[in-house]
Amino acid sequence: SQQGEEDPQALSIQEGENATMNCSYKTSINNLQWYRQNSGRGLVHLILIRSNEREKHSGRLRVTLDTSKKSSSLLITASRAADTASYFCATAPFPYGNNRLAFGKGNQVVVIP
Amino acid sequence: DTEVTQTPKHLVMGMTNKKSLKCEQHMGHRAMYWYKQKAKKPPELMFVYSYEKLSINESVPSRFSPECPNSSLLNLHLHALQPEDSALYLCASSQDPGRQETQYFGPGTRLLVL
Repeated sequence: SQQGEEDPQALSIQEGENATMNCSYKTSINNLQWYRQNSGRGLVHLILIRSNEREKHSGRLRVTLDTSKKSSSLLITASRAADTASYFCATAPFPYGNNRLAFGKGNQVVVIP
Repeated sequence: DTEVTQTPKHLVMGMTNKKSLKCEQHMGHRAMYWYKQKAKKPPELMFVYSYEKLSINESVPSRFSPECPNSSLLNLHLHALQPEDSALYLCASSQDPGRQETQYFGPGTRLLVL
């Protein structure tokens, strides 16, 4: 079953603006991961946040995790045209570890040059 | 080498055909995965191999048959598929099945069943 469920929205933003996506899930997790997918190709891992972490940064990416609300957000700052992609959150449910990643619906982000 | 390769990139097959998808990684990863992704949908887990043994089968129909000949190679044998099996098939790997780690994905095989 899929746990991670983003708010089903498509974002269209201007280059240079920030993009925020949310993800909610239903059960206890070991970690939550964000992936990017360009045009139906393979997924690229962006960031992993563990259940005992609240915030994590990687370059222009900022991820937060609120286990009490079972939700996460991904912020992309100073967006670029190359950020145009689908973004998926994926949860690793406890106690299965990383074996059973469940992907959310995904957010389509379009960055207009 | 941090790459997962998949062949072929595209595959068209009839419902009576037998074909195979191939996935390869040389990162020393001991967990490998098959996912199925329909258009505009998230990837859905099909199979997980841990240390070359099938550890998870997400109730996938028997017309899909996975095989892990060695730690670097993962195959998905296809037989008597249905048109609704048309999808992007993604392979992924991770270093240690029991640890909290990222998965590395291949570019996928786009399958069309006629």
